[in-house]
Amino acid sequence: GENVEQHPSTLSVQEGDSAVIKCTYSDSASNYFPWYKQELGKGPQLIIDIRSNVGEKKDQRIAVTLNKTAKHFSLHITETQPEDSAVYFCACWGRDDKIIFGKGTRLHILP
Amino acid sequence: SAVISQKPSRDICQRGTSLTIQCQVDSQVTMMFWYRQQPGQSLTLIATANQGSEATYESGFVIDKFPISRPNLTFSTLTVSNMSPEDSSIYLCSVEVAVGETQYFGPGTRLLVL
Repeated sequence: GENVEQHPSTLSVQEGDSAVIKCTYSDSASNYFPWYKQELGKGPQLIIDIRSNVGEKKDQRIAVTLNKTAKHFSLHITETQPEDSAVYFCACWGRDDKIIFGKGTRLHILP
Repeated sequence: SAVISQKPSRDICQRGTSLTIQCQVDSQVTMMFWYRQQPGQSLTLIATANQGSEATYESGFVIDKFPISRPNLTFSTLTVSNMSPEDSSIYLCSVEVAVGETQYFGPGTRLLVL
C-alpha cells in the first residue's frame, strides 16, 4: 500500500526565517497532496493542497512544490511568525482512495 | 469547506465503560470518517461511516469495539466500548464533501481512560 515519509520530525526556525518540510510517497498513482496544520488542542486544518497536474502552488507565505518523477513534495513557509508554531502533516491519496498521512513535523518558531 | 462539531470535546472515563462521540456537519457530505490520534502521533483511520449501511473498518479495528452509526448525511457517532487506558487518545471526525475531494476535520474529542 501507499507509504508517506515525512522529514524532519522536529524543526526549530528563527522567527522571520523560512521553514521547509519534505515528504516522499511510494504510489506513483497518487494524485492529490494536502498539507494540514494542527495546533495544540485542535483538529488538523487544511492549509494548502496540490494536485499532480501542478508543480507548485502558493498562498501568501505558504507554498507547496511537487516533483512527480521523484515522488516527493514539500511545504515552504516564508517569513515565519510565532503563530506558525504547530504540528504539520503531509498527506496523499492512495490508489484505494484512502488518504495516508505522514508522521508529522513539530515546528517551533524561536523568538 | 465544511464546519464540523464534535461532542463531547473531552471526557475522563472509567475503564470498562463506553463513550459515544457525536459528529455533526453543517452541510450534507458524501463521506464521513473516524480517526484516532494517540499523543504525539499521526492520524490512524478507524473506519468509514457509511450512510444507511454498516461502517467499513480498517485493519486492527472491529465493530464490537468501535460501533459506528450514520443515520443521515450530516451526522455520525462513534462509540468506544469497554474502554481501557490504552483507548486514551484523541478521536477525530472528518468529512469529504464529495468523493476524492479535500478532507476536513472536526476539533476532536480528547478521551482519558483511568
